[in-house]
Amino acid sequence: EDQVTQSPEALRLQEGESSSLNCSYTVSGLRGLFWYRQDPGKGPEFLFTLYSAGEEKEKERLKATLTKKESFLHITAPKPEDSATYLCAVQAPQAAGNKLTFGGGTRVLVKP
Amino acid sequence: KAGVTQTPRYLIKTRGQQVTLSCSPISGHRSVSWYQQTPGQGLQFLFEYFSETQRNKGNFPGRFSGRQFSNSRSEMNVSTLELGDSALYLCASSLTPGQGIWYFGAGTRLSVL
Repeated sequence: EDQVTQSPEALRLQEGESSSLNCSYTVSGLRGLFWYRQDPGKGPEFLFTLYSAGEEKEKERLKATLTKKESFLHITAPKPEDSATYLCAVQAPQAAGNKLTFGGGTRVLVKP
Repeated sequence: KAGVTQTPRYLIKTRGQQVTLSCSPISGHRSVSWYQQTPGQGLQFLFEYFSETQRNKGNFPGRFSGRQFSNSRSEMNVSTLELGDSALYLCASSLTPGQGIWYFGAGTRLSVL
């Protein structure tokens, strides 16, 4: 069964203090690894897709990387508006449809 | 372009009742998925639909059911509600589900008393 574990569960940062979030996964045939952001009272919002080890994607202060067993979301010089829960998910083999298996998320709080 | 719309936003029911939640996907999206989100279990997959056909179902009891209509709108139903069904129910739609890009609604918060 696909498993996704995120750490830490919560992260408190000062504005400008860079950090990394970890997502480790076990999946039989990775079709893709995805990062989503969820703000309170809202549904998750898509950020990145990573398909193969060594791949990197960037968006503003966020950079996602992928290895064969883990993905990292690096937040560089965060601002208070980066406060959110960051969710990592993997996609099952195609025969199982397109379901996403999510990790428990990392709650990030950036203080000014 | 309007996003995914879920109604109602909040719902309070008592044990044993049944409930129907509604989801209107983004125009043009034919794939719809449902997830249950709780503090303890996080986001768990319920169903996936494409063109009125259920493509996949998660590990939930038969009390949880869903359907998709010809206009891609979807509903999910939970019968004989239990206290543990209290959760945020999220609907998502996609134009390219194979690429893992899903657009989520704000969810329906269900409280079972």
